Amino acid sequence: QTVVTQEPSLTVSPGGTVTLTCASSTGAVTGIYNPNWFQQKPGQAPRALIYNTNNRHSWTPARFSGSLLGGRAALTLSAVQPEDEAEYYCLLYFGGRGVFGGGTKLTVL
Amino acid sequence: QVTLKESGPVLVKPTETLTLTCTVSGFSLSNARMGVSWIRQPPGKALEWLAHIFSNDEKSYTTSLKSRLSISKDTSKSQVVLTVTNMDPVDTATYYCARTLNYDILTGYWGNYFDYWGQGTLVTVSS
Repeated sequence: QTVVTQEPSLTVSPGGTVTLTCASSTGAVTGIYNPNWFQQKPGQAPRALIYNTNNRHSWTPARFSGSLLGGRAALTLSAVQPEDEAEYYCLLYFGGRGVFGGGTKLTVL
Repeated sequence: QVTLKESGPVLVKPTETLTLTCTVSGFSLSNARMGVSWIRQPPGKALEWLAHIFSNDEKSYTTSLKSRLSISKDTSKSQVVLTVTNMDPVDTATYYCARTLNYDILTGYWGNYFDYWGQGTLVTVSS
């Protein structure tokens, strides 16, 4: 079974910049894995942020950006706001099957 | 306005079959580039992708549960149904459905992605 790995937790100061990554047990992540990123706050359903590596949804703030970095998918948050504190999940597709990462708990402190 | 709403039992017994329905509005399940995925999340744990179905009836299942899952759609009712057989307490989770697209008209890129999610429904497996 393919495993997708994310940092379990990260901390960032308000106004700072942080990068979350998403790695695959099969090797380097490329665009063909269709990286998607989601934000989930406690008690809420996940919300889609980024699709197909680096495309924002219409509701995604410009401070969220997606990329490929060092063989991983990456989500960078710039000018972090207190409301960005949440769990972040990546989703990769392997032969049409999706696999979520274990999530990164982002603390804004 | 796109919405998705999950419905089904809140409590099932071990070995029973779970049937969940995702009722969608604001788009048609016959739209060429659209489909629905099911995802679950055990309490305090990570999201798990389960299955998807597209308008052309293309289906895909997670490898680990493939023998227990079945997904289908009724376009006339705007519903996607997921069944999970032989339920076990470890299947206790919030089950979500999400709209899934396989083509981005803005970029011309073919690739699966989610946009709208349902609110989720908590299913507990207990005798």
